[in-house]
Amino acid sequence: SQTIHQWPATLVQPVGSPLSLECTVEGTSNPNLYWYRQAAGRGLQLLFYSVGIGQISSEVPQNLSASRPQDRQFILSSKKLLLSDSGFYLCAWSAINEQYFGPGTRLTVT
Amino acid sequence: DQQVKQNSPSLSVQEGRISILNCDYTNSMFDYFLWYKKYPAEGPTFLISISSIKDKNEDGRFTVFLNKSAKHLSLHIVPSQPGDSAVYFCAATTSARQLTFGSGTQLTVLP
Repeated sequence: SQTIHQWPATLVQPVGSPLSLECTVEGTSNPNLYWYRQAAGRGLQLLFYSVGIGQISSEVPQNLSASRPQDRQFILSSKKLLLSDSGFYLCAWSAINEQYFGPGTRLTVT
Repeated sequence: DQQVKQNSPSLSVQEGRISILNCDYTNSMFDYFLWYKKYPAEGPTFLISISSIKDKNEDGRFTVFLNKSAKHLSLHIVPSQPGDSAVYFCAATTSARQLTFGSGTQLTVLP
């Protein structure tokens, strides 16, 4: 069966510091991968999606970036965090129609 | 432009009664609809889905209804249980398979 891992689970970072969140998927090949953010009291906002290694599409212009160095690895990064980057970050993979989410990373930028 | 809307941010229901969560959409290209359940500090979990060629899909206590002419879908949970208390997101997708989510409805089932 497929599993999706995210780490770290929680992160507190100062403004201006870099960020790296990692997501890995097991049990499937060539999945579509997604990064979402849920800001406090709001819905899920799609940030990036990838249909294959090195293929990244950005949905929202911001100071975040994503990379897919391996088939089942998806990384969300920032060179300099902003206060507005605080939120709950979710990685997801999809097979056909449904998307399946990881446990999420709670990021607090102070 | 919110293409998927959940106009009720919260809903409270008595245990054992029916919970009805509503969702409206504007994009007529959406052809597949999903409901997710989310507990605090966890990722959403897939609940149930429906294709646009159907108007009803049932899975145990969960039933999703789709009214294409009204661009409206609803999730019925019956009977509601305290463990159903969570935020429920509806989502829609086109053939491109990117999900567009609503803003969520907090369901509270009172014992």
